[in-house]
Amino acid sequence: GDSVTQMEGPVTLSEEAFLTINCTYTATGYPSLFWYVQYPGEGLQLLLKATKADDKGSNKGFEATYRKETTSFHLEKGSVQVSDSAVYFCALSRGNYQLIWGAGTKLIIKP
Amino acid sequence: GAVVSQHPSRVICKSGTSVKIECRSLDFQATTMFWYRQFPKKSLMLMATSNEGSKATYEQGVEKDKFLINHASLTLSTLTVTSAHPEDSSFYICSAQDMTGDISNQPQHFGDGTRLSIL
Repeated sequence: GDSVTQMEGPVTLSEEAFLTINCTYTATGYPSLFWYVQYPGEGLQLLLKATKADDKGSNKGFEATYRKETTSFHLEKGSVQVSDSAVYFCALSRGNYQLIWGAGTKLIIKP
Repeated sequence: GAVVSQHPSRVICKSGTSVKIECRSLDFQATTMFWYRQFPKKSLMLMATSNEGSKATYEQGVEKDKFLINHASLTLSTLTVTSAHPEDSSFYICSAQDMTGDISNQPQHFGDGTRLSIL
């Protein structure tokens, strides 16, 4: 069945460091891919999405490119801030509205 | 952007109490709403999917009589945890999705969650 695999956390970085959180997926067809972010004590917010191969989603300095050849959707940011500390979830949808979630990756940014 | 309001944000109550959690879509019609449960340091577990005007579809292992879901309008769904016990303590999150149009790239919009603590 469909699945999403994320790198295990926590990921700890210093402020202004480069961030990569890996996400790979297994799915038939052409799913849509999402990154959601959950700040402490809050619900989830959509961070970015991509709906077809080679699409790049971007928001708040974060980017992710839909790579069909490697079935990946890695999240990147060039210079992280303390306020980026949160849990990041990768997810896919195959158009039947249900999301398949990764386990989440906790990101800790130290000043 | 689309906003989902979830209320209350935190509930502390005694064992045996029933607790109702509301989920409202504020600026769009949510034909479908989802209820999730999140355990500490874990991903989201989908509990049920509710469609406006019809019965909710529960995931395997989720007790229908324990977690009552009502989706009476296009902007409101409620989750009632009946006769709650300490093992029901968790973080519950709702999300809503506008199912009209091309649903393949419609994101789910999440509420801020409800922290339920049963003493």
